[in-house]
Amino acid sequence: DGGITQSPKYLFRKEGQNVTLSCEQNLNHDAMYWYRQDPGQGLRLIYYSQIVNDFQKGDIAEGYSVSREKKESFPLTVTSAQKNPTAFYLCASTYQSQYFTDTQYFGPGTRLTVL
Amino acid sequence: KQEVTQIPAALSVPEGENLVLNCSFTDSAIYNLQWFRQDPGKGLTSLLLIQSSQREQTSGRLNASLDKSSGRSTLYIAASQPGDSATYLCAVRNSGTYKYIFGTGTRLKVLA
Repeated sequence: DGGITQSPKYLFRKEGQNVTLSCEQNLNHDAMYWYRQDPGQGLRLIYYSQIVNDFQKGDIAEGYSVSREKKESFPLTVTSAQKNPTAFYLCASTYQSQYFTDTQYFGPGTRLTVL
Repeated sequence: KQEVTQIPAALSVPEGENLVLNCSFTDSAIYNLQWFRQDPGKGLTSLLLIQSSQREQTSGRLNASLDKSSGRSTLYIAASQPGDSATYLCAVRNSGTYKYIFGTGTRLKVLA
């Protein structure tokens, strides 16, 4: 089955700790995205990547970092610099070409809670 | 700066009713618009994608329209069912960018 997997489903972080959220896709998509969702709010873009070894900051990148070493993987690190990291994190991917953009496919999400 | 608004924030309807969800955007220079469904605690599921050159898209009981000049899209759900209960989000991608801007969603409850 093709799709996007995120792990873990639930994650607890202590103050001052860095944590990494995993996102893997086997859809052969070039573009991948990380979003944050807070209760009652829409999705806000953290980072996105159009190709391997390249990524751009979204609207709320402060306190987060990413890497894109492989086409199928786009891990997100929530650093201790992120002051309010408790949220639901969603990873997405999409196929893009010069002529066509497919829909965004989303993973099941990771719920991060700071203790 | 593109802003996406969805009204109402919440809606309850009896089963079988036809309903319309609204999505407004401030910048008409869009590349495409998507409608998604989100169940509680889950990821988003794509419902319909409308390219900027299209006026509407249909999938089963769902029909989405796009009017770029007025900055509006509507999602029409025919013969609603309790299983349609979820939050519906629209997202806009502007021309010349790979970023998507999301609305805050409409939480729909269909009563049996």
